[in-house]
Parts: sequence; structure tokens; C-alpha cells
Amino acid sequence: QVQLVESGGGLVKPGGSLRLSCAASGFTFSDYYMSWIRQAPGTGLEWISYISTSSSDTNYADSVKGRFTISRDFAENSLYLQMDSLRAEDTAVYYCARGNYGGSFDLWGQGTMVTVSS
Amino acid sequence: ERVMTQSPATLSVSPGERAALSCRASQSVSSNLAWYQQKPGQAPRLLIYGASTRATGIPARFSGSGSGTEFTLTISSLQSEDFAVYYCQQYNNWPWTFGQGTKVEIK
Repeated sequence: QVQLVESGGGLVKPGGSLRLSCAASGFTFSDYYMSWIRQAPGTGLEWISYISTSSSDTNYADSVKGRFTISRDFAENSLYLQMDSLRAEDTAVYYCARGNYGGSFDLWGQGTMVTVSS
Repeated sequence: ERVMTQSPATLSVSPGERAALSCRASQSVSSNLAWYQQKPGQAPRLLIYGASTRATGIPARFSGSGSGTEFTLTISSLQSEDFAVYYCQQYNNWPWTFGQGTKVEIK
């Protein structure tokens, strides 16, 4: 079954860290670029990070640059997001998504909720 | 940063009617534009990429048009399952950005 399954969300205090995981199955993981996209409660979508097929290229939104790190493990068919120095405004559902033809996303996980609060 | 502006914020449509959703880019994004549908509690679903190419499995009643800065998603005859929020996204320039969404509701 072609799917992405995120995990690792939860409640964390401001300034804390969290590592999200996204397990890919049913397709050749190394053939696709991947991204993380988040959605704060009741709001729209925000792209936050990209990683190329080979992991050689990464890119980040200014809102997370220097605090978040995207990576992937081909042996585990998994995508990761290391989130440090978390802020209240990072509270959101975090989706991993598979890239399609240049920058759109044709497969999404179900999302994992991250809440940053004291 | 390319700012994507969607209009209207909410569109009230009767089942069977046609709906046209607009997305405007602050600067040209060529044809590097996608449309997504999101229902409550669900992840977004890709409808259109390359401004006008339907994604796999998307019904023909969904069509996309436009290039440069002006784009339109048209739903030719709304079905009950089409009431949802729709987002446009540009991937021509970093950072990739989404519009704020248009909610299509039952009239």
C-alpha cells in the first residue's frame, strides 16, 4: 500500500526539541523528493522544508531556518524533521508529503500534531 | 516571496452548479501552480499540477487554467463530495507558498 505515516508529535515546552518521523511504504522512496508542510489550527498550509532525492539539496522556509533540520534515511525509507528551539507559533499539524513533477505533492501522510506550550 | 491570494474566501454553491475559484500570484509563477482539496480532519489531496494537468484519479469535472499570475480552478458540476477547502500552491520560486484557501460550501 502506497502511504506515508508520520509519528513523533506531542506536547513540548517552548525552547524544547522534537523529532518527527515519516515512514514511507509502497513506492521507491529514493525516487522522490520530499517535504514537510504544516498547518496551524484553523489556518492554511505552510510549506516548511524540502529535501532532494539524493539528500544533497535542502531548503527551508524563513520561519524555521536555523531551527529545523530535514533528513532522510534510505535504508529505513524514512523522512525526518529535527525541530529545535521550538516556539508557540510552531504549534501545528505537520504533514510529510511526496514530491510530484517539480514542486507539487501527490501523496500526503495523515499528519502529526505538535503543540508548543508551557 | 511569492504571495498567493485566493478569492473568494468562501463560495456558496448549489449542488450541480459550476464553481470558479481564483488564485493570483504577486509575481509570475509561470505554470508552476498546483491545486489541492482538503476536507475537515483530512490531509490535502492533489487535484491539479502544472496549472492545468489533472492528477491521477481526479474526475474530469475539475479543471485548471491560467499562467503567469492569474489562475482558475473550475468545478463544472459540484457534487456533494466537492464541498471542501481548496488551496493553490506555487512552486516556481523558493519558498514554495500556498494561498490562504477558498471554502466551497453548500448554498
